[in-house]
Amino acid sequence: DIQMTQSPSSVSASVGDRVTITCRASQDISYWLAWYQQKPGKAPNLLIYGASSLQSGVPSRFNGSGSGTDFTLTINSLQPEDFATYYCQQANSFPPTFGQGTRLDIK
Amino acid sequence: EVQLVESGGGLVKPGRSLRLSCTASGFTLSDYAMNWFRQAPGKGLEWVGFIRSKAYGGTTEYAASVKGRFTISRDDSESIAYLQMNSLKTEDTAVYYCSRDTSGWFFFDYWGQGTLVTVSS
Repeated sequence: DIQMTQSPSSVSASVGDRVTITCRASQDISYWLAWYQQKPGKAPNLLIYGASSLQSGVPSRFNGSGSGTDFTLTINSLQPEDFATYYCQQANSFPPTFGQGTRLDIK
Repeated sequence: EVQLVESGGGLVKPGRSLRLSCTASGFTLSDYAMNWFRQAPGKGLEWVGFIRSKAYGGTTEYAASVKGRFTISRDDSESIAYLQMNSLKTEDTAVYYCSRDTSGWFFFDYWGQGTLVTVSS
């Protein structure tokens, strides 16, 4: 199985800040990567697919980039509703696997 | 509006069985592969398995941790996907989510609210 490693595991930031989360795959996954946001007690919400394509309805302050093994999720101008846990997920090969998550807290 | 609603969770003893349902609305279930995930308390997301649409044979795949114990099925006429869980173990305790595969690419655009399964004696 492909291992996905996110960093950092947690980060504190303030409203208005820009935050970057990274995700590394244990092997080349091309552009087959998604990012999800999950709030406590809620289901994950798809933000980005294909490494950089914004899912419909997701604010444009969310930006995904990368290919191969290294990927980033950047959130520009953090809003109060963005404080949550973020997961990357590879879709290149079976089975789909997730990173361990990055918790974004209010500073 | 696309909606997925899981049901059937609860407290069950080790070794027993439980069947979860995922009722879909707002889209044609038969057009999509459906996946199940789980999330143990305080832990990350784990893919459990999926069922292809009938157009792709309706076949299933499972994570190694549940293969041989869990079975996914679907009733497209009722817009329901099922997760039959047998020989449950304490480590199966988790919130279980069903999710729709966007277009067969293993990106998951709609999720249910989840149902908690607790395996304990």
